[in-house]
Amino acid sequence: KAGVTQTPRYLIKTRGQQVTLSCSPISGHRSVSWYQQTPGQGLQFLFEYFSETQRNKGNFPGRFSGRQFSNSRSEMNVSTLELGDSALYLCASSLDYGGSYEQYFGPGTRLTVT
Amino acid sequence: GQQLNQSPQSMFIQEGEDVSMNCTSSSIFNTWLWYKQDPGEGPVLLIALYKAGELTSNGRLTAQFGITRKDSFLNISASIPSDVGIYFCAGRSGSARQLTFGSGTQLTVLP
Repeated sequence: KAGVTQTPRYLIKTRGQQVTLSCSPISGHRSVSWYQQTPGQGLQFLFEYFSETQRNKGNFPGRFSGRQFSNSRSEMNVSTLELGDSALYLCASSLDYGGSYEQYFGPGTRLTVT
Repeated sequence: GQQLNQSPQSMFIQEGEDVSMNCTSSSIFNTWLWYKQDPGEGPVLLIALYKAGELTSNGRLTAQFGITRKDSFLNISASIPSDVGIYFCAGRSGSARQLTFGSGTQLTVLP
């Protein structure tokens, strides 16, 4: 069974631009969570989607948004990029929302904002 | 919010030695997960724990869910070079859905 895939793997953007990252969960997994990883803050939860609905949200500004499609694939968008948004963005999938909490991570998208 | 203290922050050990690391929380947790992350990759799930006192092994790795439900331990026996990486604990407490992650333990295995 294929793992979680994320595209693109690397991205360079300039301040003020916006960016969209994509995540395809493990086949059969219906829940997708997004995390931001930086050396200073570690792994920070952004949001979780299940059945095309955002079920949970971390403490990030409204510039960070996401969505989930009917095939469980998910995208996250960051608008008006700031230098501090440079990070590894990780997507994790799990089987469902109410049961298993085991989350399986993708390889991440390394975003650099200049 | 929930706090997870993971220690040690880094470890340098000789190949063949055993390793132990732990996480403690300020609140009672219902789930503990242990992950390993290699440079440039996403974390890989190693072990999941769901019951207080539970002891689970995965090859040379053994993890335990503390009986107080506020801590968890990960042991690696007979370390090898490919054990190098950052190990994260993650936990979930109460009705919270999202996982809280520890700050990681950077493991270096010396030949």
